[in-house]
Amino acid sequence: AQTVTQSQPEMSVQEAETVTLSCTYDTSESNYYLFWYKQPPSRQMILVIRQEAYKQQNATENRFSVNFQKAAKSFSLKISDSQLGDTAMYFCAFMRYNNNDMRFGAGTRLTVKP
Amino acid sequence: DGGITQSPKYLFRKEGQNVTLSCEQNLNHDAMYWYRQDPGQGLRLIYYSQIVNDFQKGDIAEGYSVSREKKESFPLTVTSAQKNPTAFYLCASTLLRGPGQGDYGYTFGSGTRLTVV
Repeated sequence: AQTVTQSQPEMSVQEAETVTLSCTYDTSESNYYLFWYKQPPSRQMILVIRQEAYKQQNATENRFSVNFQKAAKSFSLKISDSQLGDTAMYFCAFMRYNNNDMRFGAGTRLTVKP
Repeated sequence: DGGITQSPKYLFRKEGQNVTLSCEQNLNHDAMYWYRQDPGQGLRLIYYSQIVNDFQKGDIAEGYSVSREKKESFPLTVTSAQKNPTAFYLCASTLLRGPGQGDYGYTFGSGTRLTVV
């Protein structure tokens, strides 16, 4: 079974600074998808960024980027120019190609301080 | 607008009762999923369905049941056998796609908060 580990239960960052959230995963598959989801206090799950394992180029979405290290099974999220609205729980997730059921890490609670 | 709707937003259950959480999508998605979220834990998979009239157990299926009679609907019943049902429940859906086929990942509903009273 695939497992996803987020080793930082809580983090904080000053507004406008950069923060990196860590995620590692365990799988024997060679092809899969990886995701970062944001869950603000409303509890709505919002897709932040996603990556297909066969793509070597790291995904970027505006202020959000990932560092995907396939051999190390690592998928960290970097948030640049942090904003107060980035305050939320962030979940790393793994999904196999042939099954499409998603597995989540325990989450990292990020607080952006003014 | 297409989307996925969960109802009710809040639900209270008495001891020994079965309750049903609704999940409806109009996205023409193939697969639907139910997750449970507890404080300090990530989302855990309860059940999922990739085709009408078929569904699979996830990691924590005991005490829950589902049906998939229509592509658009995937209700979850929390039975009296579920000993600790108080949690936040999320429904999700997706198109089933292979590698390189474009848009992938889940669309989530807004969740149902279930409390045992």
